[in-house]
Amino acid sequence: AQSVTQLDSQVPVFEEAPVELRCNYSSSVSVYLFWYVQYPNQGLQLLLKYLSGSTLVESINGFEAEFNKSQTSFHLRKPSVHISDTAEYFCAVSKGGSQGNLIFGKGTKLSVKP
Amino acid sequence: EAGVVQSPRYKIIEKKQPVAFWCNPISGHNTLYWYRQNLGQGPELLIRYENEEAVDDSQLPKDRFSAERLKGVDSTLKIQPAELGDSAVYLCASSSGRLDTQYFGPGTRLTVL
Repeated sequence: AQSVTQLDSQVPVFEEAPVELRCNYSSSVSVYLFWYVQYPNQGLQLLLKYLSGSTLVESINGFEAEFNKSQTSFHLRKPSVHISDTAEYFCAVSKGGSQGNLIFGKGTKLSVKP
Repeated sequence: EAGVVQSPRYKIIEKKQPVAFWCNPISGHNTLYWYRQNLGQGPELLIRYENEEAVDDSQLPKDRFSAERLKGVDSTLKIQPAELGDSAVYLCASSSGRLDTQYFGPGTRLTVL
């Protein structure tokens, strides 16, 4: 079975500072990895995903995540955050070959302060 | 294109009362999911449908929860009777297949008093 650990429940940062949201997973089989974002009073939105190929994946709004198989990690990074990035971020894993049956972490609340 | 629609957005009921949630997936999406998100936790899958068929309901508490997806489009999730521990956000998601990205609705926040 797969599981996901998000090491930080809350991450406060100042605007324009870099940020890293950590995610580790455990699985005995190959996996797909995802980051979802949840803005206040909105549903979950897919931010980026790793299925195969390049281990570095990017989103359209400047976030990136790198799949590290040896460390079983999929940390999310952004070099310079904006106030509008304030949201809760969820890391998720699914069994390789399927994007169904997602297993989510507990989430990390990112608060960007001016 | 319209996203996943859920209603109601909020529901407050007393324990032992029944409650139902409705989900309309993205047009053409054959796969529909119901998740429960407890406070401070990530979503947990309750049930997955492929068209009209419930293909994974292993996490659905069948003594009080039921779900249906008539005609393979809209879906309803019901709780009867509700308990205090059922207070949570109930999320619906859809995809064009289990190999494809899931798109989530805004959720229904249930409070059981």
